[in-house]
Amino acid sequence: TQLLEQSPQFLSIQEGENLTVYCNSSSVFSSLQWYRQEPGEGPVLLVTVVTGGEVKKLKRLTFQFGDARKDSSLHITAAQPGDTGLYLCAPHNTDKLIFGTGTRLQVFP
Amino acid sequence: NAGVTQTPKFRVLKTGQSMTLLCAQDMNHEYMYWYRQDPGMGLRLIHYSVGEGTTAKGEVPDGYNVSRLKKQNFLLGLESAAPSQTSVYFCASSLLYEQYFGPGTRLTVT
Repeated sequence: TQLLEQSPQFLSIQEGENLTVYCNSSSVFSSLQWYRQEPGEGPVLLVTVVTGGEVKKLKRLTFQFGDARKDSSLHITAAQPGDTGLYLCAPHNTDKLIFGTGTRLQVFP
Repeated sequence: NAGVTQTPKFRVLKTGQSMTLLCAQDMNHEYMYWYRQDPGMGLRLIHYSVGEGTTAKGEVPDGYNVSRLKKQNFLLGLESAAPSQTSVYFCASSLLYEQYFGPGTRLTVT
């Protein structure tokens, strides 16, 4: 069984603050995805990272895939209330994704 | 494009009753998946399909059956519902790795 950990589990911050959430595993993955899920809705894909050391930016969100392809991080600059949601990492393993339990982010105005 | 749709959105069942959840996608995706999401447990894969007429077990398949008779539809069946199956169920489809999710079905078993 592959162990996938996301940290922190919960994060409450004020608008304008920066934050980083982490996704760690003991296994090597071919690729990894980040999803955001808002209350009452299904997860929505944010990004896919494939190459070790890869960095991708999506407006104020910066995603990094670890050099060894075992971990990833998501950094949000100047968080806004619209960033509130559950952030899920999902490494890809053969024909399935493995979802972490997520980081629940609350951004207060 | 409607994307991925799920029917119904909400359902309450009594223990022992049966029901079928329907997932439909209009993106011509080969892969389809059924997940359940419980507080603190994340998304867990129940069953999945890599093409029309195929199904495979995921992480938590017990108590569920699936069928993929048509490429665009993936059905999840509960033959004899149990309170432990109270959850939010999500369907997803993908062409390769990037999954597109439906809005979910909230099921309560009393």
